[in-house]
Amino acid sequence: AQSVTQPDIHITVSEGASLELRCNYSYGATPYLFWYVQSPGQGLQLLLKYFSGDTLVQGIKGFEAEFKRSQSSFNLRKPSVHWSDAAEYFCAVGAGSGGNKLVFGAGTILRVKS
Amino acid sequence: GAGVSQTPSNKVTEKGKYVELRCDPISGHTALYWYRQSLGQGPEFLIYFQGTGAADDSGLPNDRFFAVRPEGSVSTLKIQRTERGDSAVYLCASSLTSATTGELFFGEGSRLTVL
Repeated sequence: AQSVTQPDIHITVSEGASLELRCNYSYGATPYLFWYVQSPGQGLQLLLKYFSGDTLVQGIKGFEAEFKRSQSSFNLRKPSVHWSDAAEYFCAVGAGSGGNKLVFGAGTILRVKS
Repeated sequence: GAGVSQTPSNKVTEKGKYVELRCDPISGHTALYWYRQSLGQGPEFLIYFQGTGAADDSGLPNDRFFAVRPEGSVSTLKIQRTERGDSAVYLCASSLTSATTGELFFGEGSRLTVL
């Protein structure tokens, strides 16, 4: 069965520092991979997605992620974190027929300190 | 409205009662999804509609849970004989076509508390 592991429950970074959130997936075929962000009082918002092609994908708000098949990873990065990036981040893999059933990880809560 | 609308935003009910949660997707979106998010967990897939039909209901936990989308727009998630373990945030999402080609737009969720 497909699964997603986000090893870090909480991460705290200083404003202006770089960020990397880890995501490992388990899926037999070429995966569809996603990162979503959930801010308090708001719905989940798509940051970026990988379907095929270039393994480094760019997203909104200055985020990027790199697909590494050999490591079954899809880590999210940002070179300089802003206080407004504090939120919960979810990695997901598209599963089921056509990949329409997203399987989410448990999430990583990002705290930004000034 | 511009986004996915879910009502009610909060629902408190007693064990054994019947509950309906409503989702109004973005106009023109053909695909609609229901997820459940328990405290400290990521969203868990329940059911996916393409148009009026349920294309995949494999995530519904048991036969107390049922969802409909009779006209291919608004959807209702129905929970019978609620149990305390049903307490969670129920999320609805819609997309123009499908998750693999389009973006899922999520509502803010309906928080269900079963006492």
